[in-house]
Amino acid sequence: DAGVTQSPTHLIKTRGQQVTLRCSPISGHKSVSWYQQVLGQGPQFIFQYYEKEERGRGNFPDRFSARQFPNYSSELNVNALLLGDSALYLCASSPQYETVNYVGRFGPGTRLTVL
Amino acid sequence: GDSVTQMEGPVTLSEEAFLTINCTYTATGYPSLFWYVQYPGEGLQLLLKATKADDKGSNKGFEATYRKETTSFHLEKGSVQVSDSAVYFCALSDLGQAGTALIFGKGTTLSVSS
Repeated sequence: DAGVTQSPTHLIKTRGQQVTLRCSPISGHKSVSWYQQVLGQGPQFIFQYYEKEERGRGNFPDRFSARQFPNYSSELNVNALLLGDSALYLCASSPQYETVNYVGRFGPGTRLTVL
Repeated sequence: GDSVTQMEGPVTLSEEAFLTINCTYTATGYPSLFWYVQYPGEGLQLLLKATKADDKGSNKGFEATYRKETTSFHLEKGSVQVSDSAVYFCALSDLGQAGTALIFGKGTTLSVSS
């Protein structure tokens, strides 16, 4: 299969700007999750979407938002960027919502640098 | 809340040495446990998993056993190769208010020299 795809690969923004990151799940997968990985740390959960509805939210400020489209692709938006938002943003897709016994497949990530 | 603690690195080994990376967890329910690997410049790949107590996950010579009594899931490999150099993350998944979010440890960098 084609795997999870994310765009863009790299992005440079300045403080205060807004950014949109995109994720296309594996064909047939209906759930998408977003994670933030700051350099030297493990990924942190941001959102999970299933069937276009938010099913989980991590401990992130309201500047972070996301949505899922009818074709199950997803966008992550971050407003009013801060230097601390610089990170690798990872997207994972899975077939369905309750996937304790099935882990999502991760995409290669989008590297966001905020100057 | 749920959390994962793994040994800090870096771990530096010679080829064919034995590897152990310690991981302990705190969870209110009955989580599934995972090890992920991240090679330089790449995304996360699932290495192995275990979904209930006493299960042993294994893949590519790596093994880890779900120990409920010690809340541990240590990663082991009998003979490491240079190609195993990467960052290893221990993680848990527990159905809850955050859906099926994965909770990761901070990662352990493994460097293997020939």
